[in-house]
Amino acid sequence: LAKTTQPISMDSYEGQEVNITCSHNNIATNDYITWYQQFPSQGPRFIIQGYKTKVTNEVASLFIPADRKSSTLSLPRVSLSDTAVYYCLANSGSARQLTFGSGTQLTVLP
Amino acid sequence: DTAVSQTPKYLVTQMGNDKSIKCEQNLGHDTMYWYKQDSKKFLKIMFSYNNKELIINETVPNRFSPKSPDKAHLNLHINSLELGDSAVYFCASSQVIGGEEAFFGQGTRLTVV
Repeated sequence: LAKTTQPISMDSYEGQEVNITCSHNNIATNDYITWYQQFPSQGPRFIIQGYKTKVTNEVASLFIPADRKSSTLSLPRVSLSDTAVYYCLANSGSARQLTFGSGTQLTVLP
Repeated sequence: DTAVSQTPKYLVTQMGNDKSIKCEQNLGHDTMYWYKQDSKKFLKIMFSYNNKELIINETVPNRFSPKSPDKAHLNLHINSLELGDSAVYFCASSQVIGGEEAFFGQGTRLTVV
């Protein structure tokens, strides 16, 4: 199971773009990179998933370089409601589970 | 319509008691999970079930016994509760085991006193 490393915490201001980088140096060929968001007193919520290059949805963008040893979650124009813990996962179906790391506490300030 | 629902949301009980947490998903998924989140917010897999079959049991004490009566339900029974069992327990489901988007319940905050 690929181990992921993220910053413990980040602060940002409303309206800014936030980039959270995750390292996964020993990612396997069949691993996908997935990001989850967790608000206090709630379960994690899927944000985005990708394998390589760039993926964008209505919530975020995910940038994955060619070597796939890291990935960056980009949140455009954050608001106070984006304050949450963000988890980066590198996993595959063969692992038969989702392995969560320590996550990044993002705090958006007014 | 809640996709993954757990009951109860809060559970306070004394050491030594036996308790159950129920989980149901209405997404038609084949795979269900139980996760434990401790006070430091680490989410750790406990069990994975695929089509009612136990796939993963991650070094969980045998006081914890999952039961899957059908694909839509995965209940967690805990015997002889200990103080260290206090945590938030999350049920989740996914269409494909491991690599796909998983949907989580709201969690059950278990407090053992």
